[in-house]
Amino acid sequence: DAGITQSPRHKVTETGTPVTLRCHQTENHRYMYWYRQDPGHGLRLIHYSYGVKDTDKGEVSDGYSVSRSKTEDFLLTLESATSSQTSVYFCAIRAPTEETQYFGPGTRLLVL
Amino acid sequence: DQQVKQNSPSLSVQEGRISILNCDYTNSMFDYFLWYKKYPAEGPTFLISISSIKDKNEDGRFTVFLNKSAKHLSLHIVPSQPGDSAVYFCAAAASGGSYIPTFGRGTSLIVHP
Repeated sequence: DAGITQSPRHKVTETGTPVTLRCHQTENHRYMYWYRQDPGHGLRLIHYSYGVKDTDKGEVSDGYSVSRSKTEDFLLTLESATSSQTSVYFCAIRAPTEETQYFGPGTRLLVL
Repeated sequence: DQQVKQNSPSLSVQEGRISILNCDYTNSMFDYFLWYKKYPAEGPTFLISISSIKDKNEDGRFTVFLNKSAKHLSLHIVPSQPGDSAVYFCAAAASGGSYIPTFGRGTSLIVHP
């Protein structure tokens, strides 16, 4: 299994509070991605990173920001959580020489 | 505007029979296609892939077929086993550039004993 961990694995928060999710990898892969999975929508890309301090927006980036100060860590921040951001969040990594992404176990977020 | 479509949200199959999961795409720039399998409360795991230079790729019980003219791919599982019960996501990407796969909405496969 690819060395990807996500923390926390579960979180309940209130509307309007900031939330940060962490993705940590031990594979030293260049590319990292944040997705959300919702019923009826599959996996939708939020943000991705192609290197330290190099990030770009995905399909559903509104309300989210990311940071990557080290190769191994990719942080996803909800500046002010809303109920529409209740979802399961997956981090993925990919080596430059491969087309396959490897996913973390996910973080289940509930915004009340 | 979905570029990758999995039109069957669910599929039910008897153990030992063939499971066929379908996926259609609209973007002609896609040249690499992947299938991922997802169990509840786990992250998706890579299953099998195919490049547009091929029309078939096989790995054990799993075979992916690609019909470029129809912009259609399918995943065949033979024989199906109860442990294959999961959600299957089709993904497509254009090689080169930033390589951002686009995922379908998934098909939930249930294999009955």
